Amino acid sequence: GQQLNQSPQSMFIQEGEDVSMNCTSSSIFNTWLWYKQEPGEGPVLLIALYKAGELTSNGRLTAQFGITRKDSFLNISASIPSDVGIYFCAGPLANAGGTSYGKLTFGQGTILTVHP
Amino acid sequence: DGGITQSPKYLFRKEGQNVTLSCEQNLNHDAMYWYRQDPGQGLRLIYYSQIVNDFQKGDIAEGYSVSREKKESFPLTVTSAQKNPTAFYLCASSIDRGSKGPDTQYFGPGTRLTVL
Repeated sequence: GQQLNQSPQSMFIQEGEDVSMNCTSSSIFNTWLWYKQEPGEGPVLLIALYKAGELTSNGRLTAQFGITRKDSFLNISASIPSDVGIYFCAGPLANAGGTSYGKLTFGQGTILTVHP
Repeated sequence: DGGITQSPKYLFRKEGQNVTLSCEQNLNHDAMYWYRQDPGQGLRLIYYSQIVNDFQKGDIAEGYSVSREKKESFPLTVTSAQKNPTAFYLCASSIDRGSKGPDTQYFGPGTRLTVL
């Protein structure tokens, strides 16, 4: 079943506004990945986080790996129309010993709409 | 160019027919994955393979079959047993890091299957 909860489910914003979305879980993750999917295309990796507390930027995008290892945040500054798409968080579940399983778990996605 | 290719982009099939979706990668990745995406939903794992000649069922394997005879190729067959096969199918690949879990997954452009 679904083990990653993304919020919000959708966002409608004006061009130039900042965007913030997050991903939470009751389970521990060793890695957090953020993807963007445009209509009719496969997801494209935006940012990968590998260490609790890590803060990583990619242009106007900034993501953080939560200290508890159970959450992650993605921020987009000064949004533009081409930011439109679905943003997914994902990560491999970790067991009690900290070893990751072989599969990724995906959130249900945040749909972002940017009005010019 | 290195990457993942999926073909065809659009596929139509009659009810009761089997159909095979192609996925090829030249990234020298060990692991490959098949996901299904329905409108407004996240990605659900169908099958995955961490090494040639081995594959595992994902969360929704019923009605699907795969093979992994070559490292570069991981075709997915949607059989007539799949009750609701119309969906967007995504293939992905990653470097497998063993007990550390999968490295980042990279996605193909997807195949949209429609059953008539």
